[in-house]
Order: sequence, then C-alpha cells, then structure tokens
Amino acid sequence: DSGVTQTPKHLITATGQRVTLRCSPRSGDLSVYWYQQSLDQGLQFLIQYYNGEERAKGNILERFSAQQFPDLHSELNLSSLELGDSALYFCASSPGLAVQETQYFGPGTRLLVL
Amino acid sequence: GNSVTQMEGPVTLSEEAFLTINCTYTATGYPSLFWYVQYPGEGLQLLLKATKADDKGSNKGFEATYRKETTSFHLEKGSVQVSDSAVYFCSQFSGGYNKLIFGAGTRLAVHP
Repeated sequence: DSGVTQTPKHLITATGQRVTLRCSPRSGDLSVYWYQQSLDQGLQFLIQYYNGEERAKGNILERFSAQQFPDLHSELNLSSLELGDSALYFCASSPGLAVQETQYFGPGTRLLVL
Repeated sequence: GNSVTQMEGPVTLSEEAFLTINCTYTATGYPSLFWYVQYPGEGLQLLLKATKADDKGSNKGFEATYRKETTSFHLEKGSVQVSDSAVYFCSQFSGGYNKLIFGAGTRLAVHP
C-alpha cells in the first residue's frame, strides 16, 4: 500500500458526460501528479500540482482540468467525454519539489466511456 | 528528448527460471531510473530504483544496475515465481522536470 488513495475505483459513463476523479496523496506529500494509462498511448503524464499550484503540464487535453485543494487532495475533471478517454487514471504523490523525487502511485481509477 | 525502450512481451517462463527484461534509455544528464510493477487489476507499485551510474537497485529478489556506458537498466531475477506474473514498466524522469516517462511495459507470465 503506497498511502495514495483514489476514488472511485471504477467509473462507467456515457459520451458527452463529465466526471471527477479524486486523489489523496500520502501523508505529508505536497506534490500530486496525474497520469493516464491507455491501450494506444501507454502511460502518459498529464499534470502536476504542488501545494495548490499547477507546476507542470503534459499531454493533457483542454477538456480535462485539475486542481489541488488546501487539504492537498486533488481532483481531475474530465468533460465532454469521448470513447477514447476510456483509460486507467493514476494519481501519484511525492514529498515536494526536489528534482527527481520518487513518486508513489495510487491504485488508479478505471474509466469506461460508452 | 528523453525516452525509454523496453523489450516487447509477453515473456513466458516456467517457475524458477531466470528473468531478464531489457530496458534502454536516452537522456540528457543522469536521470534516476525506476522499475514499476503492475499486478493484475492493481495500480503501479515501485519495484526498485537507481539514482546514479553503477547503482544497483534491488527488491524482492529483483535487481537492476544503472549502466551509463550502455544506457541500460535491465531488470533481472534469478528464480521467478508464479506470483511475479505482472506487467513491468521501466521509467525515468523527463529531463529537468519531475514528470516520469515510461516504456511500453513488458508482460511477464510465469507458469508452474
């Protein structure tokens, strides 16, 4: 158990809908990262937050957004969902902003868009 | 840019066989290197890491050595078990940032 929690574990929704994925980092960790694992793209970095502020962006679609709250949990919002958004979404956390800190991953949220 | 290349799977072995999963990387500088494992139906778990050249990461009988001269970080285990069946991902940081980039993953199936 990494100490990173994600909810829900599974999510089934329809095209055009909006969903919110939630992540709680390990106790004391200030950085949160979101990754997407899909069959065609593999594992890709989406976005990083540190202590409430966005720090780095990867291949995140404009339909997707994220935020980190004062209690350090983070939410990833996916809107206008398409079939291709079906994937496993991982959250990871690390203590701070030190270069190349080890990241610990949550169990993931499996999203199925029908 | 930085990249990670892993041997394609699936790799199928008998219990107690020797395992090697090849991983090579391209990078500017000397990034930390990682192996993550994903068991069926589960999330990613950190298996081992190495932070500099010639470092050897080890955990649960798995080992990998950071080879700067061959830009490799091959994963090895002397005697695999059925419970090692999983997908293994080699990864590194993308230079200058804390975002991880991953290889395509190698599926390992161990049968009794």
